[in-house]
Amino acid sequence: AQTVTQSQPEMSVQEAETVTLSCTYDTSESDYYLFWYKQPPSRQMILVIRQEAYKQQNATENRFSVNFQKAAKSFSLKISDSQLGDAAMYFCAYISNFGNEKLTFGTGTRLTIIP
Amino acid sequence: GAGVSQSPSNKVTEKGKDVELRCDPISGHTALYWYRQSLGQGLEFLIYFQGNSAPDKSGLPSDRFSAERTGGSVSTLTIQRTQQEDSAVYLCASRPGRQETQYFGPGTRLLVL
Repeated sequence: AQTVTQSQPEMSVQEAETVTLSCTYDTSESDYYLFWYKQPPSRQMILVIRQEAYKQQNATENRFSVNFQKAAKSFSLKISDSQLGDAAMYFCAYISNFGNEKLTFGTGTRLTIIP
Repeated sequence: GAGVSQSPSNKVTEKGKDVELRCDPISGHTALYWYRQSLGQGLEFLIYFQGNSAPDKSGLPSDRFSAERTGGSVSTLTIQRTQQEDSAVYLCASRPGRQETQYFGPGTRLLVL
C-alpha cells in the first residue's frame, strides 16, 4: 500500500518570504501522480499543483513550485513571496495510475503567515 | 462553470439516527469519490463511482455506510444508525476522466451527539 508522510504538522513564514513544505511517499509503482492541495478554513480542498511521475521537470504554478525527487520519493512544495491568503492546511497526496485512482493523503501541514 | 456542490453544509444528528449526505459533481465528470476527514484518521477514501460500473466500496468503514449514484450524476452517502465516531467532514470529489485532477466540494460537517 502507498503511504504519504508529512513530517511538519505546523510551519510559519513571514509575509513575502519563502517557505518549503516537505512530503515523502512510499510506493512500489513507477507510474503515478503527486499533488499538493490547500484547505483553508472554508474546508474546500483546492488544487495547488500537480506532478506526473514520468516527467523529470518540476511543476510550477506562479508562486508555487515543487522539488520532485523520484529516486528519493520526495515531493516538497515551495511557496515564494508568501501572502496572507496562503494561510491554510496543505496536504500532499498520491494517486496511482492504476485501479480506482483514489487519493492517498498525508496528514497535512498547517501554514501560518506572519504579517 | 459550477463546481462540486454538497448539501447540507452542516448536519447535527443524534446517535442512532440515519443521515443522508448529497453530492452534485461537476457536469460531465464521470468519476465521483467520497472521502472522510476526521481528527483521528485524517483524510480517508470511502467509495468510488466510475460511469455505470459497479462502485469500489473498499474504503467504507462498516456496513452502516452505503452510497449510490443516480443517473451517473448526483450521489448520496447514507450512514445508518450513526455513532459518535462518525463525526467528521465528508468530502466529495469528481474528475472528468482517468489521469485527471479531482475537484472537491466544500464538504458536509457531520456531528453526532
